[in-house]
Amino acid sequence: AQSVTQPDIHITVSEGASLELRCNYSYGATPYLFWYVQSPGQGLQLLLKYFSGDTLVQGIKGFEAEFKRSQSSFNLRKPSVHWSDAAEYFCAVVDSKAAGNKLTFGGGTRVLVKP
Amino acid sequence: KAGVTQTPRYLIKTRGQQVTLSCSPISGHRSVSWYQQTPGQGLQFLFEYFSETQRNKGNFPGRFSGRQFSNSRSEMNVSTLELGDSALYLCASSEDWGWTKNIQYFGAGTRLSVL
Repeated sequence: AQSVTQPDIHITVSEGASLELRCNYSYGATPYLFWYVQSPGQGLQLLLKYFSGDTLVQGIKGFEAEFKRSQSSFNLRKPSVHWSDAAEYFCAVVDSKAAGNKLTFGGGTRVLVKP
Repeated sequence: KAGVTQTPRYLIKTRGQQVTLSCSPISGHRSVSWYQQTPGQGLQFLFEYFSETQRNKGNFPGRFSGRQFSNSRSEMNVSTLELGDSALYLCASSEDWGWTKNIQYFGAGTRLSVL
């Protein structure tokens, strides 16, 4: 079965430190890949996406992600975290071989930023 | 452009009642998807509509239904509410449907509490 795994449920990082969130997927073919962020009580905001091409993708708010086919991974990074980055982050995929936009999500990683 | 609008933002219902949630997509977007978010199950796909037709359905009981109108607005209905239906219901819209590279944009959600 197709699945998305985010191994870290919680991550605590100091303000100004770097952040890396892990995402692994299990699909037959390379899916379309997304990272979304959710602040408390809010919906999901798209940070970045990967469809094809350059494996290093830049997103909003200073985030980037790297697609590694050999590792079936799409990890999210930020060089220097701000207090406003405290939120829950979701990795999601769309099956590139199926019609439609159905997103399959990982379980999420909650990020806490220490001052 | 206005974003995805979901109404109401909060709902309190009792077991056995039914509820209807509404979603207005971004102007020009023709595909609407619904997701349920709970602490235990995470983000799960409910269904997807395009051109007033359900194109994709998740693994939910028949008590969950939806529809899409000619202006692309969508509603979802949950009949005979159960305590376990308490969740954040998220609507997402995208420009198109099919084997294309679409991005889903999310609304702020409707928080349903079943007592």
